[in-house]
Amino acid sequence: GAVVSQHPSWVICKSGTSVKIECRSLDFQATTMFWYRQFPKQSLMLMATSNEGSKATYEQGVEKDKFLINHASLTLSTLTVTSAHPEDSSFYICSAPRTGGNEQFFGPGTRLTVL
Amino acid sequence: QQQVKQSPQSLIVQKGGISIINCAYENTAFDYFPWYQQFPGKGPALLIAIRPDVSEKKEGRFTISFNKSAKQFSLHIMDSQPGDSATYFCAASISGGYQKVTFGIGTKLQVIP
Repeated sequence: GAVVSQHPSWVICKSGTSVKIECRSLDFQATTMFWYRQFPKQSLMLMATSNEGSKATYEQGVEKDKFLINHASLTLSTLTVTSAHPEDSSFYICSAPRTGGNEQFFGPGTRLTVL
Repeated sequence: QQQVKQSPQSLIVQKGGISIINCAYENTAFDYFPWYQQFPGKGPALLIAIRPDVSEKKEGRFTISFNKSAKQFSLHIMDSQPGDSATYFCAASISGGYQKVTFGIGTKLQVIP
């Protein structure tokens, strides 16, 4: 199957700082990528849809100025958590479908801890 | 609004037994129903998927049963093993478009020796 990587796998930052998380499709091109947030023992909640070459689409209740998404190329999407606070601590996961297919390929996730 | 309802939220099965997880959906536009397996600290991985034109799909010890009229589908894990202990998510999506995946709440499966 296709491979999606995320970097970093975990990050600890101080409250008020910004953190960037990268999502890469390693062996296929992805015009669309998705960003999820998962709290402990909960399901994945879709935050936004990242579209290559255009603005991201955010789900209701997700602050677009706080969670900046940039889909710079067909293999890279980044999520920047700006002015992070402890309540932003979570497991962030990206996914990408292969163009023309239904199957979503998920990254390994990034554990963000904000002190 | 939870568009995909999943039960049970936790399940304990003895080694060699059958694990059964059930899901129901509301949106009849959904036409792709995957199941994902997630281990702690890892991203979800596709286990098996089905389309509504098929009533059953089997891959090894994993079987999806699909009831289109009832808008329900289920995952059966035969001969459950301790290595199957993980969280399982059912999901649904619509082909084409942006292919957003709607997840169920998840079932934490524990297979005991």
